Amino acid sequence: NAGVTQTPKFRILKIGQSMTLQCTQDMNHNYMYWYRQDPGMGLKLIYYSVGAGITDKGEVPNGYNVSRSTTEDFPLRLELAAPSQTSVYFCASSPRTSGNVEQYFGPGTRLTVT
Amino acid sequence: AQKITQTQPGMFVQEKEAVTLDCTYDTSDPSYGLFWYKQPSSGEMIFLIYQGSYDQQNATEGRYSLNFQKARKSANLVISASQLGDSAMYFCAMRDLLMNYGGSQGNLIFGKGTKLSVKP
Repeated sequence: NAGVTQTPKFRILKIGQSMTLQCTQDMNHNYMYWYRQDPGMGLKLIYYSVGAGITDKGEVPNGYNVSRSTTEDFPLRLELAAPSQTSVYFCASSPRTSGNVEQYFGPGTRLTVT
Repeated sequence: AQKITQTQPGMFVQEKEAVTLDCTYDTSDPSYGLFWYKQPSSGEMIFLIYQGSYDQQNATEGRYSLNFQKARKSANLVISASQLGDSAMYFCAMRDLLMNYGGSQGNLIFGKGTKLSVKP
């Protein structure tokens, strides 16, 4: 059981380039999330999805886009990369949003924009 | 708005001793969930323990326990018999209660974390 997988693990982008961070989960979870973690800080929500075809903005969505065409996949698109997007990006999933249910995190993608 | 506060940027503990990591939260909703995650230097997020606001007892998971004081809005993590492998960042988080699409968004709101260093 792979859980939540993310690719790539590391990436260096030049200012203005674009890229897609991939996230896949094999647990059939409806809820999926993208967070970013800046140095010395906790995680902040970028976008989330409550099921295939339904996505919405989180706290820090500017400069990003998402799509959710299947239950398994939740890619994050960076358009026109900026140095402020240098961060570690985590994808997470959860089967529901109540009770004693953790969020399952992927291993993260470390992105540097120079 | 919900908020998590962790006031200890860094903590040191001697191996085999117990340590308490502080977490206070702010919410106006009577129903909420609190989580602790561990982030070792390798970067992954590891779930440790969960406490629901209506749980009658403090949560425990092996060497981890949660000192939940509802009236004081605190949810401190206690690690007993510290080990060298406990050296990591520890994050307290609360489940967001904003409602969308017929249910809670369910994302986590994180504190800034506490870096724990265990000394041999």
